[in-house]
Formats: sequence, structure tokens, C-alpha cells
Amino acid sequence: DSGVTQTPKHLITATGQRVTLRCSPRSGDLSVYWYQQSLDQGLQFLIQYYNGEERAKGNILERFSAQQFPDLHSELNLSSLELGDSALYFCASSEKGVGSKETQYFGPGTRLLVL
Amino acid sequence: ELKVEQNPLFLSMQEGKNYTIYCNYSTTSDRLYWYRQDPGKSLESLFVLLSNGAVKQEGRLMASLDTKARLSTLHITAAVHDLSATYFCAWAGGSEKLVFGKGTKLTVNP
Repeated sequence: DSGVTQTPKHLITATGQRVTLRCSPRSGDLSVYWYQQSLDQGLQFLIQYYNGEERAKGNILERFSAQQFPDLHSELNLSSLELGDSALYFCASSEKGVGSKETQYFGPGTRLLVL
Repeated sequence: ELKVEQNPLFLSMQEGKNYTIYCNYSTTSDRLYWYRQDPGKSLESLFVLLSNGAVKQEGRLMASLDTKARLSTLHITAAVHDLSATYFCAWAGGSEKLVFGKGTKLTVNP
């Protein structure tokens, strides 16, 4: 158990809908990262937040957005869902995440299925 | 464009044998990560390699980093069934985002 929690574990929804994935980092970690894992794209970095502020952006679609709240938990919002958004979404956290060369600890993931 | 290439992508080996997984990357980095993923599970951190020539060992796994060759290796010694999993290397450059290889699916057969 990495100490990173994600809810829900599984999510089934329809195309065009909107969902919110939630992540709580390890106690004391300030950085949260979101990754998408799919069969065709592999593991891809989406976005990073550090202490409430967006720090780095990867291959995140405009239909997707994220935020980190004052209590450091983070939410990833996916809207206008398409079949291709079906994937495993991981959240990871690290203590600092700013040039610190730390390990990122991954949560259990949310498996999203868009029908 | 940054490329992180792992090979082989699939590896079937017998218990007791040794093998090496290779991770090549196209852009200089001063650190490289190795993760393990069991089917349907999350990623577990194995090693963080922070400098040229770094070597780390944990049990039957040993990882090394050659920044000049832009190569990291994960060596498996005397494989056992419990090592069956997918192993990912991940590159990290100036920012904190990780760029993952496609993974090596390892199957250790009795």
C-alpha cells in the first residue's frame, strides 16, 4: 500500500458524460501527478500539481481538467467522454516534486469504461 | 522527440535463469526509475537511479544507469515465479513528469 488513495476504483459511464476522479496523496506529500494507462498509448503523464498550483502539463486533452485543493487532494475531471477515454487513471504523489528527484508513489488507479 | 525504448517487450524465462531488460532513452537525463506492475494493479517503485554509474540491488533484481550511453538495465538473477510482472522504466528530465517505456512483460515458468 503506497498510501495514495483513489476513488472510485471502477467507473462505467456513457459517451458524452462527465466524471470526476479523486485522489488523496500520501500524508505530507505536496505534489500530485495524474497518468493515463491504455493499451494503445501506454502510460502517459497528464498533469502535475504542486501545493495547489499547476506545475507541469503533458498530453492532457482540453476536455480534461484537474485541480488540487487546499487539503492537497486532487480531482481529475473528464468531460464529453469518448470511447477512447476508457483507460486506467493513476494518481501519484511525491513529497516535493520540484527538482527533487524523488520517487513518485502511485495509487491503485481508477478504471474508467466508457460505453 | 523524446523516446524511451524498452526491450524485450515480452520475456518468458525459466526459473533459475538470468536475464537483462534494457531501457534506452534518446534525451539526456540524470535519473531513471524502474517500476513493477502486477496485472490489474498499481505501479510499485523498485529503483531510483540518480547518477551515471549508479547501481542498485534488491533481492534478485539489480538496476544500473549509464547516462553517457543513455541506457539503463534491469538484471534478473535466478528468476523465480514471483518475479512475473510487467516492468517499466521511466525517464525524468528537467521537470518532474515521468516518461515511461512500453514495459516488459516478464513471465517466469517453473
